[in-house]
Amino acid sequence: DTEVTQTPKHLVMGMTNKKSLKCEQHMGHRAMYWYKQKAKKPPELMFVYSYEKLSINESVPSRFSPECPNSSLLNLHLHALQPEDSALYLCASSQDHGVLPTQYFGPGTRLTVL
Amino acid sequence: GNSVTQMEGPVTLSEEAFLTINCTYTATGYPSLFWYVQYPGEGLQLLLKATKADDKGSNKGFEATYRKETTSFHLEKGSVQVSDSAVYFCAIPANQAGTALIFGKGTTLSVSS
Repeated sequence: DTEVTQTPKHLVMGMTNKKSLKCEQHMGHRAMYWYKQKAKKPPELMFVYSYEKLSINESVPSRFSPECPNSSLLNLHLHALQPEDSALYLCASSQDHGVLPTQYFGPGTRLTVL
Repeated sequence: GNSVTQMEGPVTLSEEAFLTINCTYTATGYPSLFWYVQYPGEGLQLLLKATKADDKGSNKGFEATYRKETTSFHLEKGSVQVSDSAVYFCAIPANQAGTALIFGKGTTLSVSS
């Protein structure tokens, strides 16, 4: 099974709201990723967690706050977002990065910021 | 770091036509290479991969061969179907540590019956 699940599928929020995106995998993968994808563009890396520790932050604004509560779960906490943050947010996981970098993606959360 | 260049579309074909989408890369060493597909309104799905030179990845009738001499990983399918309409991304690890993937700009394929 190579399934990564994400909830919610769609999210609409105002600029003063606080919300969270959730991602889950049960493949025993130890690396998890958040990507942001704008319309008609490729995904862009935001964060990488390796063995539940944040290993890469691609200079993402602090209004995005990732969290990895355990090896199966990855959250992205959102606060005071801007309309330009509207995008598809994709979660991915891999067995590990480096030697086995094959990443499996979830279906994404389509976020609209009003 | 590594980089990938992918032909941009859109590509419009009739059903049963032959498909080629070009992808070339620049990399240190010999990284794994990937093709991902994104159907309308969905996330990315791994289509195929190759981990070393001359490897051929294949899935659902799609094929791509890891060509070290031309640093290419072109995607091909002999007979496309309407259901193949999607955006296709070539991808490569960003660096030798393989910490993340970088993607080509994507090629939109539209197949008509």
